[in-house]
Amino acid sequence: QVHLVQSGAEVKKPGSSVRVSCKAPGGTFNTYGISWVRQAPGQRLEWMGGIMPLYRTTHYSPKFQGRVTITADDSTTTAYLELSGLRSEDTAVYYCARSFLGAFLGKLSLGWFDPWGQGTLVTVSS
Amino acid sequence: EIVLTQSPGTLSLFPGEGATLSCRASESVTSSYVAWYQHKPGQAPRLLIYGAFSRPTGIPDRFSGSGSGTDFTLTISRLEPEDFAVYYCQQYGSSPLTFGGGTKVEIK
Repeated sequence: QVHLVQSGAEVKKPGSSVRVSCKAPGGTFNTYGISWVRQAPGQRLEWMGGIMPLYRTTHYSPKFQGRVTITADDSTTTAYLELSGLRSEDTAVYYCARSFLGAFLGKLSLGWFDPWGQGTLVTVSS
Repeated sequence: EIVLTQSPGTLSLFPGEGATLSCRASESVTSSYVAWYQHKPGQAPRLLIYGAFSRPTGIPDRFSGSGSGTDFTLTISRLEPEDFAVYYCQQYGSSPLTFGGGTKVEIK
């Protein structure tokens, strides 16, 4: 069974940055992408962006463009989410998820998510 | 972006009953690129359906998906105790990828 293992909880000050890691099984990056999804308290799931490591391509939601950076280290099959300019509204559980690839947007892009990591709670508080 | 609206917000049902969950898109979803997830507190979401009606290996056949265009449905034929959870739809036919607001299925 495939497991994605995320780094532990973080507490950050407003204005700072956070980096969350997601370790995937070997070979994942040859076929799949990795997406990042967050859920703030009482809110719906929200896709932040994703990466297709084999193609060295990233896609970001316009909402987070400029504040989020998603990277992947092929040697360790670990993906990273970095979010800068943190504010209290960024307090949420952040999930990584393996993303199936296909021509969903008329070009190679990220599709559905399976499986998901266990989630990382990021708390932004002064 | 495509906005997904799920209804009802909450379904109160007895174990053994059937459940019908709706997901309506603000515009047509390309090629029915819709997925459904089950989410329990403290756990990671679990994929139930992709491509509007395809079930991954290991998902019980009491879960089924249907629909096209702007209207999609997740049906649970007979609720088992472990099925009480929140269910989300997601579309991946348009960027940004988006999720619905969720339907909570609770024990009556």
